[in-house]
Amino acid sequence: NAGVMQNPRHLVRRRGQEARLRCSPMKGHSHVYWYRQLPEEGLKFMVYLQKENIIDESGMPKERFSAEFPKEGPSILRIQQVVRGDSAAYFCASSPTLPKDTQYFGPGTRLTVL
Amino acid sequence: DAKTTQPPSMDCAEGRAANLPCNHSTISGNEYVYWYRQIHSQGPQYIIHGLKNNETNEMASLIITEDRKSSTLILPHATLRDTAVYYCIVRRGGSEKLVFGKGTKLTVNP
Repeated sequence: NAGVMQNPRHLVRRRGQEARLRCSPMKGHSHVYWYRQLPEEGLKFMVYLQKENIIDESGMPKERFSAEFPKEGPSILRIQQVVRGDSAAYFCASSPTLPKDTQYFGPGTRLTVL
Repeated sequence: DAKTTQPPSMDCAEGRAANLPCNHSTISGNEYVYWYRQIHSQGPQYIIHGLKNNETNEMASLIITEDRKSSTLILPHATLRDTAVYYCIVRRGGSEKLVFGKGTKLTVNP
């Protein structure tokens, strides 16, 4: 059973460009979570999604960030007009059928904004 | 979710047991204790979790005190590859998000 997959693993963008991060949950998992880890800091929750629904986006910055988990395909975290402060590692996790189930993390996408 | 307190760093000799403590004095009855670790900026790795009883799996053991105010993660025979930051997280049953603190940086020495 393949684990959580994220791509790209490394992404370099210039200020003002858009970044799209993709997350494919483990097979059979219908819950996806995104976390961000800024340099030298801990992981912070961003958003929790089920298929076609955003359940909790309390950790998402108010502007430029959006997330989706369509009926088909991976979950996407989109950052518009990136700034240097967006440089971080972005981790996706998935859990089976209930939100209280254990979350399993992917390897992360490291975003560098030049 | 209840807060946890962990020592910022610990050292352990290779082959010895590593005992990582965690205090969660404000834990509620429906809150679980989870342990994850992060090896050198990789994705966090799930280790173990428990509610009241002690738990053991192929990676570690989790000892929860009777009053549930603290717990200890035990790696029975630490190896160099166990060097990582270990996070103790208290999570309400039904709560979606994990709230990570600063964790304990465990260094396993040869």
